[in-house]
Amino acid sequence: QKEVEQNSGPLSVPEGAIASLNCTYSDRGSQSFFWYRQYSGKSPELIMFIYSNGDKEDGRFTAQLNKASQYVSLLIRDSQPSDSATYLCAVNRGGATNKLIFGTGTLLAVQP
Amino acid sequence: NAGVTQTPKFQVLKTGQSMTLQCAQDMNHNSMYWYRQDPGMGLRLIYYSASEGTTDKGEVPNGYNVSRLNKREFSLRLESAAPSQTSVYFCASTTSGYEQYFGPGTRLTVT
Repeated sequence: QKEVEQNSGPLSVPEGAIASLNCTYSDRGSQSFFWYRQYSGKSPELIMFIYSNGDKEDGRFTAQLNKASQYVSLLIRDSQPSDSATYLCAVNRGGATNKLIFGTGTLLAVQP
Repeated sequence: NAGVTQTPKFQVLKTGQSMTLQCAQDMNHNSMYWYRQDPGMGLRLIYYSASEGTTDKGEVPNGYNVSRLNKREFSLRLESAAPSQTSVYFCASTTSGYEQYFGPGTRLTVT
């Protein structure tokens, strides 16, 4: 079992719809959770981070964390073609090293 | 404020050649990381430096060495390049517990 698992996709949604991206993790001691967006040929950039159970909203993006189920998700409302990218889930298990464990990413395609 | 910079952007090596990838950050971050990214494999940690003067192996360290030259700079060296090291290499840095900032990447091909 991989430490951080994501469906590789592609996830195809029509413009204006809600895109739902999911991630599960295996280490119950994980403390913080990050969603990165990566356009083709570019470096990852942070979209959202979440530390506590529940929802965290930032504009069109909502991160959801359920530590009991070891599950974190990212919702993108009113999806736009410019949201088409690979979305990487990353988990920090804590400690002084601040290491992140990344999933393999989900490719999102927003159809105009 | 340039963030995280990497040089070179592109490199082609022949098997057995050596090279050093350079990374620098101007955000006064303590921790720095080297990743490689291959299709279908996600980002895999090669080496990291939790603070100036320390380095540790990550998930895929074989064939690589690193140097934390000072707080700003963290270099990755390939002593004898192999085709399996063809990849995109990203450097990242962070302050404690928060997001990692990534450099633009180095696209390396080993023939």
